[in-house]
Parts: sequence; C-alpha cells; structure tokens
Amino acid sequence: GAVVSQHPSWVICKSGTSVKIECRSLDFQATTMFWYRQFPKQSLMLMATSNEGSKATYEQGVEKDKFLINHASLTLSTLTVTSAHPEDSSFYICSGGKGTGLSPLHFGNGTRLTVT
Amino acid sequence: GENVEQHPSTLSVQEGDSAVIKCTYSDSASNYFPWYKQELGKRPQLIIDIRSNVGEKKDQRIAVTLNKTAKHFSLHITETQPEDSAVYFCAASTGGWPPGYALNFGKGTSLLVTP
Repeated sequence: GAVVSQHPSWVICKSGTSVKIECRSLDFQATTMFWYRQFPKQSLMLMATSNEGSKATYEQGVEKDKFLINHASLTLSTLTVTSAHPEDSSFYICSGGKGTGLSPLHFGNGTRLTVT
Repeated sequence: GENVEQHPSTLSVQEGDSAVIKCTYSDSASNYFPWYKQELGKRPQLIIDIRSNVGEKKDQRIAVTLNKTAKHFSLHITETQPEDSAVYFCAASTGGWPPGYALNFGKGTSLLVTP
C-alpha cells in the first residue's frame, strides 16, 4: 500500500531554535498533504493543508509564520517549527492523499518534538 | 465547520466480548467516515471506512454502521482480543477534490480488553 515516510521520528531541541520535519510519499504522488498535531491523550488536530506548488491553508489559531509549510514537489512536504517553545512540544503527523476521489489518507509515523 | 463527537472516551471489556464506539457529526455534507486505531506513540492506522452511500460495512471482526438521517456512525468490534487495546478515532470528511478533504477527528476512545 501507499507509504508516507516521516522524519525525524523524534527530536529534542532548545527553546528558540527551529526544527524541520519532512514527509515523503514513497510510492504515490501526494497532491495534498495535511499536517496534524496531537497533544498527549488528545485527538489529532488539523494544523494546515498544503497543496503542491501553492501556499498552505492554515486552520484558525495556527500561526503561519511559526509553522512554515513547504510542498515544493508531489513527493515532499516539510513543516518547520520556527523559534520553538516548550508549548510547541507535541506529536506532529502528516498525511497525504492522491487527490483522486475519496482515496484514503496515508499517515506518516509521526514526529515527537520536545522543546526544552 | 464539521464537529465530530465520540463516545465513550474510555471503554473496558473482557476478552471475547463486543465493543461499540459511537460518533456523531454535524455537517450533513460529510460523506466519508474512516476509523483509525492508534497504539501508543504510533501513527493512526486505518481499520475500516464507510462512504455515505452505504449503511453498513464489515471486515472480519470489525463492522461500521452509518445512519445518515441521524448523522451518526458506529464501530463494532466482536470477539475482542487483548491486542485490540488501543485508542480508536472516528473521523468525518466532506470529500471533494480540490480543495482537499481534511479529516475531522473525534476525541478518541481508549479501549482496554482484559484477558
């Protein structure tokens, strides 16, 4: 089946630094990539939707200047958490779709971000 | 926007019993309803999904029912096993492409199956 490879699986960074998370669709072209955030024992919350070659659409309450999303190709989308703070510590998961009808979304393995 | 409510938040059953998780949604335009199983620290795994033109779907021990009129759908797991223990999320989507179909998730149900 379709695979989305997400890296890194975990990262620890100091407050004020930036962290980049990559998601690659390995055997399909992800015309759209969704980025979710999940706090401990909570549900997945959609942060933003990125379409290849265009600007990402952010959900209400998500700072676009803090969470930079780039979807430059049909197989790669990145999320950069800029000037990270401890409250940004969370589990970030991407999911990609082929963009053909109601095809299932395929999730990356997630990235556990800890900001100290 | 879409609002997905999921109940119960925790569910404990004995091995071999059935488990039922229920979700309601608010947007009548929603037409795709997947269920995900998430083990601790791992990504959600799609276990079953149903589209709005179908009332019920079954895959071995797992079944999902959809009532479009009442705007609710349910996950049924029969003959539960300890390895079924996980957090289960329902989700709803309005479909349509473009602009893309983000999933709106319920808050999750923590299922514990005791031997």
